[in-house]
Parts: sequence; structure tokens; C-alpha cells
Amino acid sequence: EAGVAQSPRYKIIEKRQSVAFWCNPISGHATLYWYQQILGQGPKLLIQFQNNGVVDDSQLPKDRFSAERLKGVDSTLKIQPAKLEDSAVYLCASSPRLAETQYFGPGTRLLVL
Amino acid sequence: AQSVTQLDSHVSVSEGTPVLLRCNYSSSYSPSLFWYVQHPNKGLQLLLKYTSAATLVKGINGFEAEFKKSETSFHLTKPSAHMSDAAEYFCVVSGPTGGGNKLTFGTGTQLKVEL
Repeated sequence: EAGVAQSPRYKIIEKRQSVAFWCNPISGHATLYWYQQILGQGPKLLIQFQNNGVVDDSQLPKDRFSAERLKGVDSTLKIQPAKLEDSAVYLCASSPRLAETQYFGPGTRLLVL
Repeated sequence: AQSVTQLDSHVSVSEGTPVLLRCNYSSSYSPSLFWYVQHPNKGLQLLLKYTSAATLVKGINGFEAEFKKSETSFHLTKPSAHMSDAAEYFCVVSGPTGGGNKLTFGTGTQLKVEL
């Protein structure tokens, strides 16, 4: 069974630029999550989707971050404009349903200069 | 509200000796608890999970953890460390949030295995 796919794996941008990350969850998984992992810390949940609807986005900085999952499968996370403190690894995870075990992708490492 | 505290940020052991990574949790609900491992430049991999069945949980690669409600602990152990165990380990508690479910991660324990 293929795991969670993410791209790109690495991205370097300058502050105030925009960037987008893509995630393809495990086939058949209804729930998709985006996490931010700053160096030296544990991952922090940004947003959670159930199919194509948002379940929880309370930790998403909505002035600059947006995410969508239009067809209930793939998802994109966008940052516009980026700040230095957005440098982190962005992890995507999926689970068959809410409250079930989450499976993580390899992450996208973002460096904002 | 829920939280986890990983009591050691770094643990160093010799190959072949036991491993103990300590975790305490706090949860308003009957918690689900997990240990994940993260190797350098790789994604998080689930080691084991506790979901209110047996209190001693066995995971992959010889790891196990014991849920102790009286001590609010969920420590991770392995009888004999291997070089390939060197990685960062996260203790995680799961609970409801809004209409969904949220994983709250500890700050991680870096395990070093020496020859």
C-alpha cells in the first residue's frame, strides 16, 4: 500500500514570497491533516479535513495560510506572504476516519530567507 | 485539554543495553496514547498505540509501552538497543477537538545509541 505522498521535499524562498505544498493521502483515507514542525519541537496541527470539509482550523494563521481539499483527495497548503518564522517542516497525515491512527508523509522542509 | 511531557530531551545508551524513554500525559478524557519515531529526513512512523485495551502495548522493532493511569505515565521501553534505533521519539496523546480529533505531541526525546 502506498503511503502519504508530499511534494516538494525541500523549498527555499525569500520572505514575502508565496509557496504551496501538495499532499496525496493514502487511498481511501477520508481524513487529512497538515502539521507544522519547527526545529526542536513536536509537530503542531494546523488544519484537519474530513473529505473536502474543514473540521478544525483553529491553529491555522489565516492571515497568511490557506489550505484546500477540493475533491476530498489531494490537498494543498499555501503560505502568502511567507515570514522568517514559517521556516519549518510541513507534514501531511491521513487516517481512514476521524479519531483513527494517523499515517504521516515524509514532509516538506521550508526555509524562508 | 490534553498535553504530554517527555521528561528527557536526550537519552544515550550503549548498544545491547535497555532503553527507557519517559512520558507523562494529561487528558480530560480517557486518552489514546501513541509513540512515534522520526528518523533523520524521514516521516513519522507509528511505533505503538494504546486505546484502552491491554495496558501493556507491544509495538514494532521490539518496543513496548505500559499505560499506568495512577501515575499518568506511558513510558517506552526496549530490552536491548540497536544502532538503528537512534532517532527522535515522540509521545503523543489523542483527544477530541471541535468537530474533529487532535494529536498533541511532546517535544521529543533524541535517542543516541553508542557502540
